[in-house]
Amino acid sequence: NAGVTQTPKFRVLKTGQSMTLLCAQDMNHEYMYWYRQDPGMGLRLIHYSVGEGTTAKGEVPDGYNVSRLKKQNFLLGLESAAPSQTSVYFCASCTGDGNTEAFFGQGTRLTVV
Amino acid sequence: AQSVAQPEDQVNVAEGNPLTVKCTYSVSGNPYLFWYVQYPNRGLQFLLKYITGDNLVKGSYGFEAEFNKSQTSFHLKKPSALVSDSALYFCAVRDRRGSQGNLIFGKGTKLSVKP
Repeated sequence: NAGVTQTPKFRVLKTGQSMTLLCAQDMNHEYMYWYRQDPGMGLRLIHYSVGEGTTAKGEVPDGYNVSRLKKQNFLLGLESAAPSQTSVYFCASCTGDGNTEAFFGQGTRLTVV
Repeated sequence: AQSVAQPEDQVNVAEGNPLTVKCTYSVSGNPYLFWYVQYPNRGLQFLLKYITGDNLVKGSYGFEAEFNKSQTSFHLKKPSALVSDSALYFCAVRDRRGSQGNLIFGKGTKLSVKP
């Protein structure tokens, strides 16, 4: 079982470039999340999805878009990258029950120069 | 709105001593509560959770946490710290009412255990 897989693991972008981060889970989980982790800020929720075809905004959604066309995949897009989006991005998934723990990917380290 | 507070950025403990990492939350109603650990350059790993029942929950690696409804706290504890426990610890909360699935984390507490 791979669990939650994020690609790519590292990326350097120039300001204004676009990219898509892919999160894939093989546990048939309903809920999926994208977080960013910055020093002193903890994990902040960007967007999340409670099922295929659904998405919702988290705490810091500006500058990001997401899609959940397939249940196992949750894509995070940056249309025009900014230096403020330099961060480590984590994807997580969990079952539709509110009482289950989330499983995390290994993270994507993104630098915008 | 949901929120989680971890009042200490860092906790320093000597090996063999007990440790406590504090967490308080603000959620309407009764939440689900979680603790996660993050080792350097890794994703988060689940430690334990409170759903219902006994206020003292036991988890992985000898950790436990005490839920206190009146103080809206969920402090992480371990009777005897190990150097290998040194890591970043996160408390998280999810509102159990109807749940939109929103899972909110605290800012994290760095635990440093010295030999």
